[in-house]
Amino acid sequence: GQNIDQPTEMTATEGAIVQINCTYQTSGFNGLFWYQQHAGEAPTFLSYNVLDGLEEKGRFSSFLSRSKGYSYLLLKELQMKDSASYLCAVRDGDYKLSFGAGTTVTVRA
Amino acid sequence: TAGITQAPTSQILAAGRSMTLRCTQDMRHNAMYWYRQDLGLGLRLIHYSNTAGTTGKGEVPDGYSVSRANTDDFPLTLASAVPSQTSVYFCASSPGTMNEQFFGPGTRLTVL
Repeated sequence: GQNIDQPTEMTATEGAIVQINCTYQTSGFNGLFWYQQHAGEAPTFLSYNVLDGLEEKGRFSSFLSRSKGYSYLLLKELQMKDSASYLCAVRDGDYKLSFGAGTTVTVRA
Repeated sequence: TAGITQAPTSQILAAGRSMTLRCTQDMRHNAMYWYRQDLGLGLRLIHYSNTAGTTGKGEVPDGYSVSRANTDDFPLTLASAVPSQTSVYFCASSPGTMNEQFFGPGTRLTVL
């Protein structure tokens, strides 16, 4: 099976930066995804990494190190609307996604 | 554009009864997926279909069946529901297996 670990909860202040770490052990690797999920809603796609390095998309950035089985999602200039769960997902050798349990981020004023 | 829709939004079901959760997408995506999401466990893949006419088992397929008669529809059937199938069920689709997945709004199912 797959093993994907991320912290359960994080709290940060509006305007600050938060980094959500994700470590993984999977059978094969074909990319890592980050999704955002607001309470009671569907997950929505945030970012995708398949090569080592940093991918930047506005206030959100995602980093991947395949040799370390490690990724992080960086949220900058936090806004209240960023309060949500952030899901790390790895696409394995069979091209199926395995998800971590998610990190709930609470942004405080 | 509707995207991907699921029905019903929520359902309470007696144990032992059967139920079909519906999923329809209008994006002409080849691949479709069913996940269940439980507190503390994250999303787990139940069944998937890489293209119309084919299906495969995911991580937790027992007690569930699927069919993919056409590109747009991917129903999930519980033949005889049990309380452990109480969960939120998400359907997703993607253009192909190499693309990001788009999720439907979910069905909240309670089995009593």
